[in-house]
Formats: sequence, C-alpha cells, structure tokens
Amino acid sequence: AQSVAQPEDQVNVAEGNPLTVKCTYSVSGNPYLFWYVQYPNRGLQFLLKYITGDNLVKGSYGFEAEFNKSQTSFHLKKPSALVSDSALYFCAVRENYGQNFVFGPGTRLSVLP
Amino acid sequence: DSGVTQTPKHLITATGQRVTLRCSPRSGDLSVYWYQQSLDQGLQFLIQYYNGEERAKGNILERFSAQQFPDLHSELNLSSLELGDSALYFCASSTRQGSDEQYFGPGTRLTVT
Repeated sequence: AQSVAQPEDQVNVAEGNPLTVKCTYSVSGNPYLFWYVQYPNRGLQFLLKYITGDNLVKGSYGFEAEFNKSQTSFHLKKPSALVSDSALYFCAVRENYGQNFVFGPGTRLSVLP
Repeated sequence: DSGVTQTPKHLITATGQRVTLRCSPRSGDLSVYWYQQSLDQGLQFLIQYYNGEERAKGNILERFSAQQFPDLHSELNLSSLELGDSALYFCASSTRQGSDEQYFGPGTRLTVT
C-alpha cells in the first residue's frame, strides 16, 4: 500500500533563509509525486510534481523539490523564504494509473519576519 | 481562483440526514476527485471519476456515493450522517488522469449536529 510521511508537523524559518519541508513515500511501483499548499480557509493549490525525468523539479513561487529514489524522498525547498510562504504544505503520491492518491499529514510552515 | 466551483459553501444538518454536495470542474477537465479533510484524519481521498466513469476508490464509506454526469459536474451524496462526518469536503479536477496536477475547489464545510 502507498504511504506518505511528513516527519515534521511544524517548520519555522526566518524570512530570507532557505527552507526545507520533508517528505518520504512508500510505493511498490513508480511514483507520481506532488506538492500542494493550503492557505487558511482555502482549497489546496498545486506547487509542483515529479512524474519522470530530471530529479530536480521547479515549481510555482520559487519552490523546487528533489526526487531521490534511493531514499524514497521528495523534499520541498526554497532558497529564500517569504513571510507569505507561511501555510500548510502537503506531499502526495500516486502509484501509477488507477491507484488512490495518498496525501501526507501536512507540515505547517511559519516564516518569521 | 482555480476554476473549480463547489456548492454549497456551508451546510449544517442533523444526524441521520442525507446531503448532496455539488462540484463543477474546470472547463475542459475530465477527471473529478473528492476529498474529506478533518482535523483527526487529515486529507483523505474518497473517489475519482473520469469522463463519467469511476476510476479510483479510496477511503469512501458505504454511506457515501458519488457520480459524474454527462456535463462532467459531479455530486457527492452523504447519507445516514453521523457527527464524525463533519469535515471540509473538497472537489478537485484535472485534465486527464493520474499524472496530472489537480485543481481544488474552495470546499464545502459540513457540520452534522
């Protein structure tokens, strides 16, 4: 069965510093990996995805993520955090076509001015 | 604005009742997904439809059912409601299927009293 772990409930970072939000996954086949962000009282917004190809994926708002097959990780990164990046971040995985989407529990990112 | 619309925004009903949540996908999107978000369970994938047919099933209770109509809008029916069904229900849509990013609606907040 597929699963996604986000080991940190909360990540705090100072504005201007680099940020990392961690995600590890478990699937038996090839994964489709996604990052979404949720602002208060809003639906989720797509940030980026990895399907195949280059392990470093660039997405919206300056975010990027690196797919690491050996470590089964897909960590979200940004070189310089903004206060406006403060939100709830979800990692998600789908194993091939026809399978369920599984979302991680979410990581709350707080960027402090 | 993601282009996905959901109605109603809020719904308050009593235990044992039945409700219908409605979702209109983005123009041109063929896939519709339903999710339940609650504090204790996180974001749970319920079900996916593609062009009118069920494609993937997640943690959807037997008391819940969904369908996608020829005009591609979708409805999620929740019956014999229990207090624990109180949650935020999201609809999302995507162009095709598993590898495509999803665009989420604003959600319907269901409160069962």
